Amino acid sequence: GENVEQHPSTLSVQEGDSAVIKCTYSDSASNYFPWYKQELGKGPQLIIDIRSNVGEKKDQRIAVTLNKTAKHFSLHITETQPEDSAVYFCAASERRYSTLTFGKGTMLLVSP
Amino acid sequence: GAVVSQHPSWVICKSGTSVKIECRSLDFQATTMFWYRQFPKQSLMLMATSNEGSKATYEQGVEKDKFLINHASLTLSTLTVTSAHPEDSSFYICSAPGQSYGYTFGSGTRLTVV
Repeated sequence: GENVEQHPSTLSVQEGDSAVIKCTYSDSASNYFPWYKQELGKGPQLIIDIRSNVGEKKDQRIAVTLNKTAKHFSLHITETQPEDSAVYFCAASERRYSTLTFGKGTMLLVSP
Repeated sequence: GAVVSQHPSWVICKSGTSVKIECRSLDFQATTMFWYRQFPKQSLMLMATSNEGSKATYEQGVEKDKFLINHASLTLSTLTVTSAHPEDSSFYICSAPGQSYGYTFGSGTRLTVV
């Protein structure tokens, strides 16, 4: 089955800096890669996703890049703000309605 | 957009009792829903896939008789933790695929068994 590795497990940055979280996956059949933000005591919230027919996607301060050959994808957050502090999960799935395989999560702390 | 409503947000129950958690898709139909369990500072662990009108598919190691899943309609799936024990205390989250490729998650249920 699919295996998703996520690094780093914790990331501390100063407000205004950029943050990068990286994930690798094992199943070449995976073609959907979402990123979720989870705040304490809440369910995960989708922040951005990418499908395998696209190499990069951007939404304001958030971007995701995908290298399907190397089987890795990354989340980039620019101009970080304290409210970006949360746990971020990457995930992968093969097709719609198939299960998501999650990475172990990255706790991002943005200091004012 | 797609909204998944999960209730209750938290529940405390006594050992030996059963607890039901509901997951509703508010503005779309969900023939499939997923139930996850999350321990503190850990990732989401898939417990089972709920299929409307048929039996749920459980992941290896998940007790079917303890975690009863019912998906009786296109908008409602329920997870019942039967004969709860303190080790069942956890954060339970449901999810459903939306209109596009995205998956929408509920807000989660914090279960504490005392």
